[in-house]
Amino acid sequence: AQKVTQAQTEISVVEKEDVTLDCVYETRDTTYYLFWYKQPPSGELVFLIRRNSFDEQNEISGRYSWNFQKSTSSFNFTITASQVVDSAVYFCALSEASKLTFGKGITLSVRP
Amino acid sequence: DARVTQTPRDKVTEMGQEVTMRCQPILGHNTVFWYRQTMMQGLELLAYFRNRAPLDDSGMPKDRFSAEMPDATLATLKIQPSEPRDSAVYFCASGSFPPGGEGDEQFFGPGTRLTVL
Repeated sequence: AQKVTQAQTEISVVEKEDVTLDCVYETRDTTYYLFWYKQPPSGELVFLIRRNSFDEQNEISGRYSWNFQKSTSSFNFTITASQVVDSAVYFCALSEASKLTFGKGITLSVRP
Repeated sequence: DARVTQTPRDKVTEMGQEVTMRCQPILGHNTVFWYRQTMMQGLELLAYFRNRAPLDDSGMPKDRFSAEMPDATLATLKIQPSEPRDSAVYFCASGSFPPGGEGDEQFFGPGTRLTVL
């Protein structure tokens, strides 16, 4: 069975600090996809990134970066120079046959 | 800017009443998902359809929940009778999945916040 573990439940940082959100997954599939979604206080789910299991290259998008390591089954997300607008719940998810299994989410609070 | 729409955005009802939630997927998307979000369970998949056919509804309580796609532009999730434990935010999502493909992005609607008293 698929499983996504986000061990951190809440993180609080001061603006401009860097913060890393951890994600560990379990799957028996050899081909799979990993996602990160953001849920701001307004409640909608916003897609951030998708990564397939054959592409272990790290990705950077502005202040966001992702580190995918198959050897440790991890797909961690780093926000550099955090801002108050980054305050949200962040979900990691794993795709199986197009169905998403979500982690429990990490509540990130960025204080001014 | 294409978006998934859901109605109603908020619904308060009394236990025992029927609740119907509606979703309009993004035009051209062939797969529609229903998720439920609660504090205790997080985000859970209830059911999903591909090309309007139900593919998996194993996450849905069968005795009171039903999901349908009467046409390609409308998906419905019905609860009858509703119970207080059904209180949650219900999200609809849609995506375009080619045959054999599974990794495409899902676009989420704004959700329906259901409160059953």
